[in-house]
Amino acid sequence: GIQVEQSPPDLILQEGANSTLRCNFSDSVNNLQWFHQNPWGQLINLFYIPSGTKQNGRLSATTVATERYSLLYISSSQTTDSGVYFCAVERNTGFQKLVFGTGTRLLVSP
Amino acid sequence: DGGITQSPKYLFRKEGQNVTLSCEQNLNHDAMYWYRQDPGQGLRLIYYSQIVNDFQKGDIAEGYSVSREKKESFPLTVTSAQKNPTAFYLCASSIPTFGQGDYGYTFGSGTRLTVV
Repeated sequence: GIQVEQSPPDLILQEGANSTLRCNFSDSVNNLQWFHQNPWGQLINLFYIPSGTKQNGRLSATTVATERYSLLYISSSQTTDSGVYFCAVERNTGFQKLVFGTGTRLLVSP
Repeated sequence: DGGITQSPKYLFRKEGQNVTLSCEQNLNHDAMYWYRQDPGQGLRLIYYSQIVNDFQKGDIAEGYSVSREKKESFPLTVTSAQKNPTAFYLCASSIPTFGQGDYGYTFGSGTRLTVV
């Protein structure tokens, strides 16, 4: 099946710093999503981004489908950005299921 | 507002018991999914359903069962055959065909199941 690798596995930032999270995947995809899991377990959909670039406030994401990677940028980080960030992909052959990476655990300290 | 409702938020199961986790959506999505998350891990797919009265096993279906009698509902039963059921369970839904619009998966808030 498709493999999804995220890096780094853990990240500690001071409030106000910027960061880049990476997601590599092993096959062509028709769906790529970035999620933030908050401390209560809720998965918040950040971006649906199978290709191209999107921005939402301090967050932006870029997917280069031909090179099979996606990047999530967090600027001016805040303590509320803490949690786990997951990349998940779905292959583009028939009905497939979302396959999750192992996540990047982010801690933003005041 | 449209969304997915999972209940209960916390559930305790005794050894040998079957328990059922509820998942209801009002997004008019055709496809629904159940994922399991263990501490510090990613999500693994248990079962999924593309349409009413049809469902398929995911990667870790042993010890679980589902039904899909209504479009809005996709309950998950954790049976006594599941030897290590303590985990966080997440339900999701999606429109199964892609290519137009900004589609994706929407998740419920989860159920934490603990064996006592």
